[in-house]
Amino acid sequence: ETGVTQTPRHLVMGMTNKKSLKCEQHLGHNAMYWYKQSAKKPLELMFVYSLEERVENNSVPSRFSPECPNSSHLFLHLHTLQPEDSALYLCASLANLGGNSPLHFGNGTRLTVT
Amino acid sequence: DAKTTQPPSMDCAEGRAANLPCNHSTISGNEYVYWYRQIHSQGPQYIIHGLKNNETNEMASLIITEDRKSSTLILPHATLRDTAVYYCIVRVGSGNTGKLIFGQGTTLQVKP
Repeated sequence: ETGVTQTPRHLVMGMTNKKSLKCEQHLGHNAMYWYKQSAKKPLELMFVYSLEERVENNSVPSRFSPECPNSSHLFLHLHTLQPEDSALYLCASLANLGGNSPLHFGNGTRLTVT
Repeated sequence: DAKTTQPPSMDCAEGRAANLPCNHSTISGNEYVYWYRQIHSQGPQYIIHGLKNNETNEMASLIITEDRKSSTLILPHATLRDTAVYYCIVRVGSGNTGKLIFGQGTTLQVKP
């Protein structure tokens, strides 16, 4: 148990579908992150939120739309995805920006786009 | 880009110490070294971090050279469950978004 819960664990969707990934952290942290991990590639940072405000968007296509309604929840809304978007999507949280505390990761959502 | 260099793979015998090296020759004075590991199909797990002093916790020890240009993660008694990809990461300094930039890591195979 990492304190960061991601649902669903697995998701299969067609290119015309709309789906959402959910992340919830139970650690009282103020910052949350989305990372993407494609096969054989390093983790890539997608978005950073601090106190519900987006503070970084790492040139992510608009078919990925993040939402952070409060500091405990983070969503990634997906629409019109491509097969190359199939990957492991990881959420992480951090106590506060600017310190040296570690990020805590969830176990990810394995997304397959058909 | 990641600021660290790690060997792509290493083997270790079960019960022996695993010593995983990392080079970070361009590290800045206020940047910490973090180690994570990732077991197949799980999220990265935090192991340890340090600035310039050696650190030890229940999982591992971190040895940072005096010039801070390299470090070694030590798993004192490796078990089969320690088989994973190990990432050495230099955290961008204070005043930033706290992000971690991952490289390819070292795949550690612990063998019976």
